[in-house]
Amino acid sequence: DVKVTQSSRYLVKRTGEKVFLECVQDMDHENMFWYRQDPGLGLRLIYFSYDVKMKEKGDIPEGYSVSREKKERFSLILESASTNQTSMYLCASSLRGRNTEAFFGQGTRLTVV
Amino acid sequence: GQNIDQPTEMTATEGAIVQINCTYQTSGFNGLFWYQQHAGEAPTFLSYNVLDGLEEKGRFSSFLSRSKGYSYLLLKELQMKDSASYLCAFTGGGNKLTFGTGTQLKVEL
Repeated sequence: DVKVTQSSRYLVKRTGEKVFLECVQDMDHENMFWYRQDPGLGLRLIYFSYDVKMKEKGDIPEGYSVSREKKERFSLILESASTNQTSMYLCASSLRGRNTEAFFGQGTRLTVV
Repeated sequence: GQNIDQPTEMTATEGAIVQINCTYQTSGFNGLFWYQQHAGEAPTFLSYNVLDGLEEKGRFSSFLSRSKGYSYLLLKELQMKDSASYLCAFTGGGNKLTFGTGTQLKVEL
């Protein structure tokens, strides 16, 4: 079974802190994605990566950056956390190609106070 | 730009059939996906359509019309466990996977 693991299920951080959300997949997938999910807004794509060291901006990249140094790991970084970044963050991965199934991690509920 | 529309909420009766519609607009289109998400859980893959027509998978079927920018998910013989959010998504240019806001389905007795 494909497994996508996010480092934390729940996280509470203070405004201004630098926050790292980690995601690891064990199926040698080329594509990895970071989404945030908010009520009424659905899943919105923050960044995605289709290969090691490659990244592309999604629809809402402002205030975020990413790192993909190894194929299995995709990190989301909040440079200076703000309260409007309180959200559920979901990581996903898929095989190379445009029509392959994406597998999701369990999500990280981040609260910025 | 890119846009996906689907109804916010639907209610249906156990044992019935329900159709969840999705319309999309995008300059580049490769395929249409449906995911199911139960409350507090991660989305899980249900189906995808690349070509026009109906794809059947047990109680679930999905239809695509590329020329109309339209898809639907059909759920037959509804069960209480089908109460969940159903997410429509497409792949456009590159590997980008874009989701709609989801349709919250409530199955009642």
